Parts: sequence; C-alpha cells; structure tokens
Amino acid sequence: GAVVSQHPSWVICKSGTSVKIECRSLDFQATTMFWYRQFPKQSLMLMATSNEGSKATYEQGVEKDKFLINHASLTLSTLTVTSAHPEDSSFYICSAGPTGKSYEQYFGPGTRLTVT
Amino acid sequence: GENVEQHPSTLSVQEGDSAVIKCTYSDSASNYFPWYKQELGKRPQLIIDIRSNVGEKKDQRIAVTLNKTAKHFSLHITETQPEDSAVYFCAASIGGGGSQGNLIFGKGTKLSVKP
Repeated sequence: GAVVSQHPSWVICKSGTSVKIECRSLDFQATTMFWYRQFPKQSLMLMATSNEGSKATYEQGVEKDKFLINHASLTLSTLTVTSAHPEDSSFYICSAGPTGKSYEQYFGPGTRLTVT
Repeated sequence: GENVEQHPSTLSVQEGDSAVIKCTYSDSASNYFPWYKQELGKRPQLIIDIRSNVGEKKDQRIAVTLNKTAKHFSLHITETQPEDSAVYFCAASIGGGGSQGNLIFGKGTKLSVKP
C-alpha cells in the first residue's frame, strides 16, 4: 500500500517553455501532497504544500507564479514549471500524505527536469 | 526558522557491525519523526517512524529512539548488510495551520557498508 506515482520520470525542455509534472496517489486518498526539489547529493527542499480544493502554500523563496500547483482531486496534484530556465533543472519529487494519517508521507519516484 | 541537524554526514562500517545516525530538532512542538532511506537515483523510502508518545520503536534490524527532553532521535541499524548502503534522512514534523503536516529534513547521512 501507499504507492505514489509521478510522471514523467524525466523530461528535457527548452528555455522559455513550460513543463507539467503529475503526482498521483494510487491506492489511497491524499488531502495533502508536497512538492520537493532535490539537488545532487543534497537533502529534500520543500517547495510547497498542496491541499485538495484550495490554494497551495509555498515556502519562502519559492515563486508561486513560476511553480504552479494544482490539486484538483484527492489523488492528483500537478506542478507546472512555467517559463523554465536552465537553473530550474533539478530533481523534483512529490510526496503524498494519506488522509487521516497525520504527517506520514510517501514519495513518488521523482522527475528529472533538464532545461536546455 | 525550524531545523533538523543530522550527524554524521558520511558513515562507513564493516558488514555485520552496527550503524547509528543521530538527529536533533529545534521545534518543541514536533511530534512525528520518520526516517527515510534513499538509494541512488531512487525515491526516499519510509523505513521506520516514531511518534512523541513513544521512546523507542524496533523493526527487525532497525530501531529508532527518541528523547523529547533533549530533542534528539537516533536510528540504529544492527548487523549491517551491503544492501543497507544508501543515504538516510531523518525528519521532524513542524507547524500547524497552513503548514499542517509538513516535515523538515536533515541533510542526510551516506552510509557505506563494506563487505
């Protein structure tokens, strides 16, 4: 149980274009999902908390107009990187917390984004 | 802001030995402490967690201890095996209200188990 999928697993895009990443909880409902960014050999940096049916909460320093988050259902959250630049290249990982299980988080496999 | 410190950053042990990783946290309201294992290029996997009403929890070769007074918790791996080699992250819950359910992560410990 507690399986989270993420799509795509990797993507290459050109500067100025937008990329959408999907995060799905496959066998549980997730009122809350989280988006992280991970640089090589570094820890997980929380970007934003996505709550079903409401606006995402962004961490300090994360541009909400650049990283658009939509959590339209209890099993799907999307992160759209708008007007991507090479410095946005990174490993993006989502996690989902089962509804009713306070704080537990299960991670997706991550998306490797490369902006050329 | 709140933070979690994790030590050591790297740890090398001989197969069969024990490994201990320690974390301290700053938010006295933290009440959930998970540990994740991340192999190269893969997702972090939850391996064990503990809540603040418990001092110790064990699952086969891994155990976690929590000292709420001192605000630190530790991961213990006994009888280490090469497949235990990975990066381990500790985390502590923070916040409430708009940030309900957030975790703050330590910087990770790269564990190498030599056969």
